[in-house]
Amino acid sequence: GENVEQHPSTLSVQEGDSAVIKCTYSDSASNYFPWYKQELGKRPQLIIDIRSNVGEKKDQRIAVTLNKTAKHFSLHITETQPEDSAVYFCAPFRGYNKLIFGAGTRLAVHP
Amino acid sequence: DTGVSQDPRHKITKRGQNVTFRCDPISEHNRLYWYRQTLGQGPEFLTYFQNEAQLEKSRLLSDRFSAERPKGSFSTLEIQRTEQGDSAMYLCASSFSPQGATNEKLFFGSGTQLSVL
Repeated sequence: GENVEQHPSTLSVQEGDSAVIKCTYSDSASNYFPWYKQELGKRPQLIIDIRSNVGEKKDQRIAVTLNKTAKHFSLHITETQPEDSAVYFCAPFRGYNKLIFGAGTRLAVHP
Repeated sequence: DTGVSQDPRHKITKRGQNVTFRCDPISEHNRLYWYRQTLGQGPEFLTYFQNEAQLEKSRLLSDRFSAERPKGSFSTLEIQRTEQGDSAMYLCASSFSPQGATNEKLFFGSGTQLSVL
């Protein structure tokens, strides 16, 4: 089955700094790469995703980059704000109709 | 509210009791998923339905767990003879996948927090 690892497990930054979270996966057939954000006590929500035919996608302050050869993809958040504080999950997908989530990265943005 | 709804939000039960949770997906969504999440971990896949058919169950799911989606709309998840290790947040999610296509974008409910004493 798919083996998913996220690094780092915790990340602490100052407001305005950038944050990068990396997700490594094992299944070379994975073709869809989403990131979910879960604030404390709330449901996970999709924030950005990318398919295997592109290398990068950007949406305002967040971006996702994909390296299929190395089997990893990364979430980039620029100009971080306190409301970015949350746990972020990657969930690489290969078409078995279920997402397998990583263990999560807890991001803390300090004012 | 047109999102995924789950009931109850919290459930406290004694070890050995049976519990049942309900999930109402977004109305046009044909796929429904159950996940379990413990503190500090990512959501763990339990099972999923396409319409009323249960297409996959996790090997981690013991026979004390059963899920149904009888009319292809709402779903129930029952846990029999609960154990303390069943304490977790049970998340439901739904998606719409047109025939012959896969839509991996899941919409989650707020979950049911189960505490087994």
